[in-house]
Amino acid sequence: AQSVTQLGSHVSVSEGALVLLRCNYSSSVPPYLFWYVQYPNQGLQLLLKYTSAATLVKGINGFEAEFKKSETSFHLTKPSAHMSDAAEYFCAVSAPNAGKSTFGDGTTLTVKP
Amino acid sequence: ETGVTQSPTHLIKTRGQQVTLRCSSQSGHNTVSWYQQALGQGPQFIFQYYREEENGRGNFPPRFSGLQFPNYSSELNVNALELDDSALYLCASTLGTSGAGGADTQYFGPGTRLTVL
Repeated sequence: AQSVTQLGSHVSVSEGALVLLRCNYSSSVPPYLFWYVQYPNQGLQLLLKYTSAATLVKGINGFEAEFKKSETSFHLTKPSAHMSDAAEYFCAVSAPNAGKSTFGDGTTLTVKP
Repeated sequence: ETGVTQSPTHLIKTRGQQVTLRCSSQSGHNTVSWYQQALGQGPQFIFQYYREEENGRGNFPPRFSGLQFPNYSSELNVNALELDDSALYLCASTLGTSGAGGADTQYFGPGTRLTVL
């Protein structure tokens, strides 16, 4: 069984500040990990994914995440927040032989001017 | 723009009715998954279809059923609607070569928001 816990349902940062969204996972097999962004009234867009290659994964829009097996974490970061980053962010995990993903409950990111 | 479309955008039904939601995947994407996203929660996996066969199912009752067609379109059918079925329903397509493939990128549609009164 797999699960995802996103710590902090709401995160607020100032424009230009560091963005850190936390994700911890539980998996009985080596996981694949994903971060998605969802804007209001839209579907999910993939930001980045970890598939057992490099542990530091770079994604779109300046986001990156680091897979830490010892901490079972996959936190999402961005050095400098933009107003356009305000959205809902979801961490997800899947198993190598299963196409379905298990999602966390999401973190709403607010960016203050 | 993911190339995945869903219809309708919004839908209002009453308890006990039946509903059909539609999804059109990217050409060549032979795997489609459906998710239910309740307000304030993450998407929950309903089921997946690969080459027109169900290929995995989440913890949803049999009144949730689906179809996948050769033209890369698919349907989600829900019978005997309940109030708790109110949610955003998302479909996601992948270029899966085996129907599994946990690393495959899923391309999500914009969703259908279903309200059950």
